[in-house]
Amino acid sequence: DAGVTQSPTHLIKTRGQQVTLRCSPKSGHDTVSWYQQALGQGPQFIFQYYEEEERQRGNFPDRFSGHQFPNYSSELNVNALLLGDSALYLCASSLLGGNRNYNEQFFGPGTRLTVL
Amino acid sequence: GDSVTQMEGPVTLSEEAFLTINCTYTATGYPSLFWYVQYPGEGLQLLLKATKADDKGSNKGFEATYRKETTSFHLEKGSVQVSDSAVYFCALTTGTASKLTFGTGTRLQVTL
Repeated sequence: DAGVTQSPTHLIKTRGQQVTLRCSPKSGHDTVSWYQQALGQGPQFIFQYYEEEERQRGNFPDRFSGHQFPNYSSELNVNALLLGDSALYLCASSLLGGNRNYNEQFFGPGTRLTVL
Repeated sequence: GDSVTQMEGPVTLSEEAFLTINCTYTATGYPSLFWYVQYPGEGLQLLLKATKADDKGSNKGFEATYRKETTSFHLEKGSVQVSDSAVYFCALTTGTASKLTFGTGTRLQVTL
């Protein structure tokens, strides 16, 4: 059973460019959350997708957008990249549908984005 | 808003030493509390959790007790191993499959 997978592993971009990161959730999961982890910091919540809609959003500008596909996979898009966007981007999946108890979020290995 | 405060690292211990990493939180409602571990070059792994006051989470020799009166969730292990060297994150959530709020992490280095 594959866990959460992310691609690419590493990415180098220049300021002003746009980037797309991809995530495939753990089998059976229907919810995908994205986090940004700057060097030496804890992960910061960007947004969460469920049923192909943004369910929750953290304090990130509109340059950060996402999408969830019918197969539950997800993309994170960042436009007009800034140096400060350099970070490890983590995807986490969980099962939300029909369950009122907390469901563990399983994390992928992350995509390391470097903006020059 | 919700927040988590962890003791700053790095924490350096000799093998078989006792470990405590302090964590306190601020949250509206009744949060669920977690400890995640991040090994070098890897993503986050859930280490243990507690979903209500006085619950004790435990896993791989690590323990943490949900203390509502002191808003704390300190991580402890009686005897650390070199393989425990990693970064440990305290986190909380206040909803079903809701966003996680993390502390800044504490790096643990265990030496022989």
